[in-house]
Amino acid sequence: GAVVSQHPSRVICKSGTSVKIECRSLDFQATTMFWYRQFPKQSLMLMATSNEGSKATYEQGVEKDKFLINHASLTLSTLTVTSAHPEDSSFYICSAGRGGTAVRDTQYFGPGTRLTVL
Amino acid sequence: LAKTTQPISMDSYEGQEVNITCSHNNIATNDYITWYQQFPSQGPRFIIQGYKTKVTNEVASLFIPADRKSSTLSLPRVSLSDTAVYYCLVATNFGNEKLTFGTGTRLTIIP
Repeated sequence: GAVVSQHPSRVICKSGTSVKIECRSLDFQATTMFWYRQFPKQSLMLMATSNEGSKATYEQGVEKDKFLINHASLTLSTLTVTSAHPEDSSFYICSAGRGGTAVRDTQYFGPGTRLTVL
Repeated sequence: LAKTTQPISMDSYEGQEVNITCSHNNIATNDYITWYQQFPSQGPRFIIQGYKTKVTNEVASLFIPADRKSSTLSLPRVSLSDTAVYYCLVATNFGNEKLTFGTGTRLTIIP
């Protein structure tokens, strides 16, 4: 099956610093990747859609200048949380699909990154 | 995107069959139904996908009635390791379409 990895799995940082999270599709190419955020005991909330070679599309209420997304290749998307604050502490999850409209597929989710901002 | 409704939580004893039903009254003709499983501090994992009638794989079965306005995920002979949150989603193309996760069903297996 398709595998999506994330790095790091866990990060602790001081308030005001920036943190970069990588999402990689290991054995397939992903034209589109998605970034989600999940707070404890809550469901996944879509933050943005990352498209290879173009700007990301952010969901309403998500600050694009705070959550920078770069989809530089068909196997890598990065999420940078800039000037992180304690309220940004959350579980960040990426997903990727193999794309194509003729293929009945699914999205493959990464293992998630636990961000704690002190 | 079709909205889905599931029970917030369910409890079951080990060894029993568990059925979780999801309501999706506004499902479109081209929509498929997919169920995901999520353990704490992990990303969701694909369980099963279907369009109509019945689909079975090595871990679950999915029952979809003719009107497709609901679906039921059936987990045979559950064990403690099946304790997780189960999400039902509906979309036309899961590969590259943004998904809206509902509350999910928190299943707790009791020894």
